[in-house]
Amino acid sequence: EIVLTQSPGTLSLSPGERATLSCRASQSISSSYLAWYQQKPGQAPRLLIYGASSRATGIPDRFSGSGSGTDFTLTISRLEPEDFAVYYCQQYGGSPLWTFGQGTKVEI
Amino acid sequence: EVQLVESGGGLVKPGGSLRLSCAASGFTFSSYSLIWVRQAPGKGLEWLSSISGSSNYIYYADSVKGRFTISRDNAKNSLYLQMNSLRAEDTAVYYCARVGGDSYGYCFENWGQGTLVTVSS
Repeated sequence: EIVLTQSPGTLSLSPGERATLSCRASQSISSSYLAWYQQKPGQAPRLLIYGASSRATGIPDRFSGSGSGTDFTLTISRLEPEDFAVYYCQQYGGSPLWTFGQGTKVEI
Repeated sequence: EVQLVESGGGLVKPGGSLRLSCAASGFTFSSYSLIWVRQAPGKGLEWLSSISGSSNYIYYADSVKGRFTISRDNAKNSLYLQMNSLRAEDTAVYYCARVGGDSYGYCFENWGQGTLVTVSS
């Protein structure tokens, strides 16, 4: 089973600051199959990044993804008030087919 | 615009059954794989099951294998999840989502708003 471990669990920042979120896989995965999602309270998750670094439709360019192998990063260059949320990484292709990290909460 | 709308959640006793539905619109339904994901209260996301466009390929997470059955009706643009032998730990919000193709790394492109299932006596 591929386990995704996200760090930190909680990130306390202010609007305008840079956020760096980490996702580490228990074994090497294809960057093609690494995605990031944003979830706000009471809402469904929203796709941000797929293929480790491609922004989904309508996602602002302050969101960027990078990484390969076992280490992946989501960066929010300048936090806007609406960016405070929980972020999940996800991989496809292991066993089980899809797994999520446990999430990183970005809070003010 | 892609829309996914879940329904069928509610309160059910342990050992009971429930059938969730997901009505889709805004895309060629039969061309896409679909999945169910759940989120227990205050917890993270858990993939449960997936079904290909023609229903030829169906997969389950170990946590629900043998108890849950995924199906779809392409004529009705609808996805289903039959849940049997429900347990307290199945209490969660259940989401359906559309799977992007290989060029999208099989990510979950679009999500429904979720439906709450509570298993309690």
